[in-house]
Amino acid sequence: GNSVTQMEGPVTLSEEAFLTINCTYTATGYPSLFWYVQYPGEGLQLLLKATKADDKGSNKGFEATYRKETTSFHLEKGSVQVSDSAVYFCALSFPTGNQFYFGTGTSLTVIP
Amino acid sequence: NAGVTQTPKFQVLKTGQSMTLQCAQDMNHEYMSWYRQDPGMGLRLIHYSVGAGITDQGEVPNGYNVSRSTTEDFPLRLLSAAPSQTSVYFCASSYSAGRNSPLHFGNGTRLTVT
Repeated sequence: GNSVTQMEGPVTLSEEAFLTINCTYTATGYPSLFWYVQYPGEGLQLLLKATKADDKGSNKGFEATYRKETTSFHLEKGSVQVSDSAVYFCALSFPTGNQFYFGTGTSLTVIP
Repeated sequence: NAGVTQTPKFQVLKTGQSMTLQCAQDMNHEYMSWYRQDPGMGLRLIHYSVGAGITDQGEVPNGYNVSRSTTEDFPLRLLSAAPSQTSVYFCASSYSAGRNSPLHFGNGTRLTVT
C-alpha cells in the first residue's frame, strides 16, 4: 500500500540551528511529494513540493529533495527562526490518483 | 480571496445529536475532501469528491455522510454523534487530486462530543 513515515517529534531547536525532519514513503508507482506546515490554530499550508525523482522543492529557506533510490523526502533548513515553530507534515499523491497520504506530523519548537 | 471556508470553528455536541459541518471554496476546484486530525494519528481521509454529484469514501467514513450538489460546497454530516468523533476536522480542495495539484485547507472545525 501507500504510506508516509515521519520522524517522531517533538523537536526543539535553538534559533539559527540546522533543521532536518526525516520523511520516507512507500508507494506503488511514482508519486508527487509534498511538505505542508500547520501553524497553531490554522489549517495546513503547502510549503514545498517535488514531482519527480531528483527534483528539489524549496520555499522560505526550506528545501527537500525527492530521492527515489532511498524513497525519502527529508525537509531541511539551514537556520531556523522562532517563527518556524509549527507542525510539519510530509505527504504524497499520484498524478492519476484520488487521495493524498499524510504522515503523522512533526512538531517543531524553536526557542530564542 | 477567501479560499476554503469552514464553519463553525468550534462545536460541542451531546452524544446522539446530529450536525453539519460546512465547507465552501471559491477557487472552482474539482476535488474536495474531509480529514480528521487526531493526536498521534496525523490526518485521516473521511470522504472525498472529484466533482459535483460524485463522492467516495476515504479511510474512516463510518458515522459520516457527504454530498456534493455544487462545485463550491461539500458539507459533512454527523447523523448521530459519538465521543469517538471528537476531533479537529479539516476541509481541503484541489484543482485535481492528481496532476500534482496541492491541497488548499480550511482553518478547521474543533468538535467535542460529550
